[in-house]
This record gives sequence, C-alpha cells and structure tokens, in this order.
Amino acid sequence: AQTVTQSQPEMSVQEAETVTLSCTYDTSESDYYLFWYKQPPSRQMILVIRQEAYKQQNATENRFSVNFQKAAKSFSLKISDSQLGDAAMYFCAYRRRDNNNDMRFGAGTRLTVKP
Amino acid sequence: EAGVTQSPTHLIKTRGQQATLRCSPISGHTSVYWYQQALGLGLQFLLWYDEGEERNRGNFPPRFSGRQFPNYSSELNVNALELEDSALYLCASSRIPGQYSYNSPLHFGNGTRLTVT
Repeated sequence: AQTVTQSQPEMSVQEAETVTLSCTYDTSESDYYLFWYKQPPSRQMILVIRQEAYKQQNATENRFSVNFQKAAKSFSLKISDSQLGDAAMYFCAYRRRDNNNDMRFGAGTRLTVKP
Repeated sequence: EAGVTQSPTHLIKTRGQQATLRCSPISGHTSVYWYQQALGLGLQFLLWYDEGEERNRGNFPPRFSGRQFPNYSSELNVNALELEDSALYLCASSRIPGQYSYNSPLHFGNGTRLTVT
C-alpha cells in the first residue's frame, strides 16, 4: 500500500519569506506521479504543482518549486516570496501512473502567512 | 469554464438517517471521484465513477454508495448515518480516466460539510 506522510501539521512564514513543506511517501512502484494541492478556506482543492517520478528535474511553477528525492521518497514543496493568499491547507498526494482513480493524500499542513 | 459544483454546502442529519450529496463535474469530464475529509485526516478515497459505472471504491462500508447519471453528474448516498461520518465530502472530476491522465489532474469542488448528530 502506498502512504503519504506530512509530518508538519502546521507551519507559519513571514510574508515575502520562503517556507518548505515536507512530504514523504512509501511505495514499491517505480513510476508514479506526485502532487501538491492547496485548500484555502473556500475549501476548493487547487492543484499547485506536479511531478512525474521518472523526471529527475524538479518541477517549478512560478513561486512554487519542489525538491524531489526519489531514493529518499521525499517530495517537499518550497514557496518563495510568500504571499498572504498562500495561506491554506497544503496536501501532498501520490498516484500510480497506471491508476488514475487511487490518489493517496497526506493529512495536510496548515500554512499561516504573517503580514 | 464552470468548475465542479457540489450541493448542498452544508447538511445536518441525525444518526440513522440517510444523506444524499450531489456533484456536477466540469463540462466534458466523464470521471467523478468522491473523497471523505475527516477532521485532522487527509482525503480518503471513496468512489470513482466513469461513464456511468462504478470503477473502484475505497475501504468504506457498503452503506456508502452512489451513482453517476448520463450527464456525468453524480450522487453519493450514505445510509444509516453514524457520528463518525461527519466530515467534508469532496467531489472531483477529471477529463481522462485510466493510464494517460497525467495531464488531466483532479479538479475539486468546494465540498459538502456533513454533520451527523
């Protein structure tokens, strides 16, 4: 079974600073996808960034980037130049490449951004 | 494009009753997924529907069921409600089910907050 662990229930960051959210996962598969989703108070889950396991290059999306360490099964999210609108719950998720329906989520990290 | 819509926003039921939650996917999306988000827990996969059929279900009892209509909208039914069913229920849709779905991530609705008293 694949499990996703987010060891930081809560994190805070000063506006304009950088914060890193941790995620580890457990799998015996070699080909899979990893995602970070954001859930603001509106409750809608929004895809932030995604990574294909076979790509060594870390994904980046504007101020969001990941540090993907496949051997360590680690997938951290770095948010640069944090903005007040980044405040939300962040969920790390895993999905096997051949299995679209079984997305496994971590318990989430609540990020607070201080002005 | 309109996003995934869920109704109702909030639902309050008493133990033993039945709850019905509704979801309309993004236009053109054929797959609908249901997740339960209990307080302090991550999202737990409930059900996956595609083209009107249940394709897979998570580790939930049979009193959690649903269906998908010809217009791809979906209902989640929870029978014999228990207190621990209180949670946020999220619906998601995607355009392409199956293998080559990397470029078709899940799009989530705002959820239905179910409270069982």
